[in-house]
Amino acid sequence: EAGVAQSPRYKIIEKRQSVAFWCNPISGHATLYWYQQILGQGPKLLIQFQNNGVVDDSQLPKDRFSAERLKGVDSTLKIQPAKLEDSAVYLCASSLDWETSYEQYFGPGTRLTVT
Amino acid sequence: GNSVTQMEGPVTLSEEAFLTINCTYTATGYPSLFWYVQYPGEGLQLLLKATKADDKGSNKGFEATYRKETTSFHLEKGSVQVSDSAVYFCALSSSSGNTPLVFGKGTRLSVIA
Repeated sequence: EAGVAQSPRYKIIEKRQSVAFWCNPISGHATLYWYQQILGQGPKLLIQFQNNGVVDDSQLPKDRFSAERLKGVDSTLKIQPAKLEDSAVYLCASSLDWETSYEQYFGPGTRLTVT
Repeated sequence: GNSVTQMEGPVTLSEEAFLTINCTYTATGYPSLFWYVQYPGEGLQLLLKATKADDKGSNKGFEATYRKETTSFHLEKGSVQVSDSAVYFCALSSSSGNTPLVFGKGTRLSVIA
């Protein structure tokens, strides 16, 4: 079974530029999550989708971050404009459905460096 | 709100040594508890879980027991190997469905031959 795919793996941008990350969850997984993992900290949930609807985006900085999951499969996370403090690893995860949200499968992450 | 506190790293051990990584939590109700592991260059993987008090989760020689009286879920392994070198995250999920995982800050383990 293929795992969660993310791209790119690494990205370096200057502050005030925009960037987008892509995630393809495990086939058949209805629930998709985006996390931000700052160096030395645990992952922090940014947004959770159930199919193509947003379940929880309470910790998403909506003035600069946006995410979508069209057709309930792939998802993109965008930052515009980026700030220095956005430097982090962005993790995508998926689970079969919301009832098994504890059993999440994570992608390798995208490491973002903002200079 | 819910939170997880785990011991600061890094932890460096010799091969075959005994490992303990402490984890305590704060939560309302009866959360489910997890240990995730992140090997170098890879994504987070679920290592083990326990969903109710006194449950013991185990996998790959690692164990953790859900202790409600001490609000703890310490990770242990009797004899570590070099291949266990990774970052270990303790996490919890509220007892109700559809709630996000809350992670600790992670503990880096290095095992030397």
